[in-house]
Amino acid sequence: KQEVTQIPAALSVPEGENLVLNCSFTDSAIYNLQWFRQDPGKGLTSLLLIQSSQREQTSGRLNASLDKSSGRSTLYIAASQPGDSATYLCAVDGSNTGKLIFGQGTTLQVKP
Amino acid sequence: GAVVSQHPSRVICKSGTSVKIECRSLDFQATTMFWYRQFPKQSLMLMATSNEGSKATYEQGVEKDKFLINHASLTLSTLTVTSAHPEDSSFYICSAIGREWSNEKLFFGSGTQLSVL
Repeated sequence: KQEVTQIPAALSVPEGENLVLNCSFTDSAIYNLQWFRQDPGKGLTSLLLIQSSQREQTSGRLNASLDKSSGRSTLYIAASQPGDSATYLCAVDGSNTGKLIFGQGTTLQVKP
Repeated sequence: GAVVSQHPSRVICKSGTSVKIECRSLDFQATTMFWYRQFPKQSLMLMATSNEGSKATYEQGVEKDKFLINHASLTLSTLTVTSAHPEDSSFYICSAIGREWSNEKLFFGSGTQLSVL
């Protein structure tokens, strides 16, 4: 059974810092891994999707990497801003059906 | 990009009442919709998968008679929490995919916070 774990559960950094969020999964047989942002009481915003054949994806200040063999992904946020404060979720699709298995998230606080 | 609309965003109800949550795909035909539940400080857990015109498939541990799912059209799926109790208080959120979807980004509704008193 696939399990997705995110470390740390919470992170607080001063504005301007670069930071890394970690995601690990137990079953390497995945089709893709997706990083989402969730603001309190709100829905999910898709940030980056990495297909199983890819090693990384970049969007603006965000860079996500995938090491499928070791069951790990990282989300790198450069030059963090207070507006980046949110919960970041990673999720894997192991069946290419759209069913996602989520990690518990990392709640990020960026202090001005 | 694909847009998924979910209503209502927040519901407060008395114990024993039923609550209906709607999930609509606005610019594509959603052949499959997924319903997730998120308890405070926990991850999103898949409850069920609904395919247009057929019965929903429920994940283990999810009561199908408690959580009624209807996916009668290609743009609308509804989740009805029947006889809601305080332990059903949670954040419910849907996602949807179309017929041509494969290994792509998924789009989610904005979620519904249900509070049962």
